[in-house]
Amino acid sequence: KNQVEQSPQSLIILEGKNCTLQCNYTVSPFSNLRWYKQDTGRGPVSLTIMTFSENTKSNGRYTATLDADTKQSSLHITASQLSDSASYICVVSAVATDSWGKLQFGAGTQVVVTP
Amino acid sequence: DAGVIQSPRHEVTEMGQEVTLRCKPISGHDYLFWYRQTMMRGLELLIYFNNNVPIDDSGMPEDRFSAKMPNASFSTLKIQPSEPRDSAVYFCASSLRGRNIQYFGAGTRLSVL
Repeated sequence: KNQVEQSPQSLIILEGKNCTLQCNYTVSPFSNLRWYKQDTGRGPVSLTIMTFSENTKSNGRYTATLDADTKQSSLHITASQLSDSASYICVVSAVATDSWGKLQFGAGTQVVVTP
Repeated sequence: DAGVIQSPRHEVTEMGQEVTLRCKPISGHDYLFWYRQTMMRGLELLIYFNNNVPIDDSGMPEDRFSAKMPNASFSTLKIQPSEPRDSAVYFCASSLRGRNIQYFGAGTRLSVL
């Protein structure tokens, strides 16, 4: 069973609107959580990374939240733009001796922004 | 910097053939990662290196897959013999210890017929 579950699987939003993507995980012991944006035909690009002690982090119009108690994270996109159309992947790292740990990937949420 | 460079961008081969994918990490980065992405399984970490040494290869699917990093600026992922189920996009990424951000290449789309 995948230890990182993302929802919804896909969504369509109108340009200028806000949206929120969800990530639930069971990875333990938790080290950090990353959100990546992947444009079609490109490699993923890091948006945010949060450790256990952080509960929110922003990158421009992207704001990620983390509740380590409930093992939930969300990615909020404000005032969406056509360029936000992409797949958003949640990646959770378990604690390990090496700084990168063991990475668990979500299946991604496909976001389509329409004019 | 040109970023992580992968070659080729596309590879079409026949079942049973050997396939070699190449990666040049960002200069100065000491970590290198190989990933595979499919619609069914999403993004999977295959193997990663630190200072040219393989640290974790538990994601390598089977003995047909091998990866090497002969120096800090070059890595290869080899599949021998290739099978249709190996068809996927293979990504290489690099990072600098302590920065915790991975930079991905554009990927190699592999099709095994």
